[in-house]
Amino acid sequence: DVKVTQSSRYLVKRTGEKVFLECVQDMDHENMFWYRQDPGLGLRLIYFSYDVKMKEKGDIPEGYSVSREKKERFSLILESASTNQTSMYLCASSFPGTGGYEQYFGPGTRLTVT
Amino acid sequence: QQQVKQSPQSLIVQKGGISIINCAYENTAFDYFPWYQQFPGKGPALLIAIRPDVSEKKEGRFTISFNKSAKQFSLHIMDSQPGDSATYFCAASKYGSGNTGKLIFGQGTTLQVKP
Repeated sequence: DVKVTQSSRYLVKRTGEKVFLECVQDMDHENMFWYRQDPGLGLRLIYFSYDVKMKEKGDIPEGYSVSREKKERFSLILESASTNQTSMYLCASSFPGTGGYEQYFGPGTRLTVT
Repeated sequence: QQQVKQSPQSLIVQKGGISIINCAYENTAFDYFPWYQQFPGKGPALLIAIRPDVSEKKEGRFTISFNKSAKQFSLHIMDSQPGDSATYFCAASKYGSGNTGKLIFGQGTTLQVKP
């Protein structure tokens, strides 16, 4: 069964802290994505990766960085957390086949920055 | 050019009624339009998808209607049930190999089906 796991369901951090969100997929997918979900704004793409060590900025990369050292793991890093980064963070993966790209999502991490 | 606009933001429907969620896109290069369903505490999951070569696709009580000329597509949930209460996202992308698989998502619609 397809599985995307995220390291924490809930996380509370202080302003200025460095925060790591981890995502692991067991489907051998090339593509991995980080989104943030906010009410009324939908899912906004922060970064995505289409191969190990490869990354591209999404629509809202400011304040974030990513790391992909292994195919199955994609990390989102908040270098210095701020209160406006309080949000739900979702990781997803997909296989770049020849058709539509179904994205498989993890359960999300609810991050609160105080 | 990359936006997908979704409406309404929230929807309340009586059990047995029809739920309708609408989306509009701008980029005419998009040719793959999926809908994702998200239950509380879960990540979104693919519900149904359509390509522009057909105007309608039906899977059980869920139907996508597609209007290429208007650049609009909609999700209809027939005989809505309380178990359908969830957040629904439309999305758009380019279909086929060689793409990164990026999806452009709409803003989401929270559906509540009352018993």
